[in-house]
Amino acid sequence: AQKVTQAQTEISVVEKEDVTLDCVYETRDTTYYLFWYKQPPSGELVFLIRRNSFDEQNEISGRYSWNFQKSTSSFNFTITASQVVDSAVYFCALKSGGYQKVTFGTGTKLQVIP
Amino acid sequence: EPEVTQTPSHQVTQMGQEVILRCVPISNHLYFYWYRQILGQKVEFLVSFYNNEISEKSEIFDDQFSVERPDGSNFTLKIRSTKLEDSAMYFCATSGETGDRMNTEAFFGQGTRLTVV
Repeated sequence: AQKVTQAQTEISVVEKEDVTLDCVYETRDTTYYLFWYKQPPSGELVFLIRRNSFDEQNEISGRYSWNFQKSTSSFNFTITASQVVDSAVYFCALKSGGYQKVTFGTGTKLQVIP
Repeated sequence: EPEVTQTPSHQVTQMGQEVILRCVPISNHLYFYWYRQILGQKVEFLVSFYNNEISEKSEIFDDQFSVERPDGSNFTLKIRSTKLEDSAMYFCATSGETGDRMNTEAFFGQGTRLTVV
């Protein structure tokens, strides 16, 4: 069984603040993949990052960074110097066990206030 | 940049009617999926399709639903006898350009919003 928990339902920050979105996952498999997707108000799902279970290196892409910690089964996402355009729902997701389906968390709605 | 295209963007149908949602996958992808998102809720897996057959399906994907790739390009989701609770955003996604089904992310279309009245 696989499960993704995003405990933060909604977060509001003021523009230029840093914000971290939490993600905790559960799987019994040793091989798995973690993802983050962004869903802006327009509704589409935009892929942000993929991480596999063998690579615990953290990643930075511009203002975005991801912290993967297998010891705590977490894959947290930090936005530095947030902007209004970052306002969206962010989903953490998991694929494991040789299955094709991706299990999504319930999402965190981020509102960046100007 | 290649993208997944879904039509229509919004479909309104009467309860009991059949609807077909269409998707044009990214051309070199091997795996196709349908997901659903009821308003304000999380994205739920419905079905995956590979090599012209269903490879996985969820408990949501019952006999009311079917998928096919009728012409080798479009990938369709048919919902027979729609119910009010079928109202949701339906996303098509594709992945697997390398043939490694685990090692690739899914790219999603912009979604079809289905409203059953």
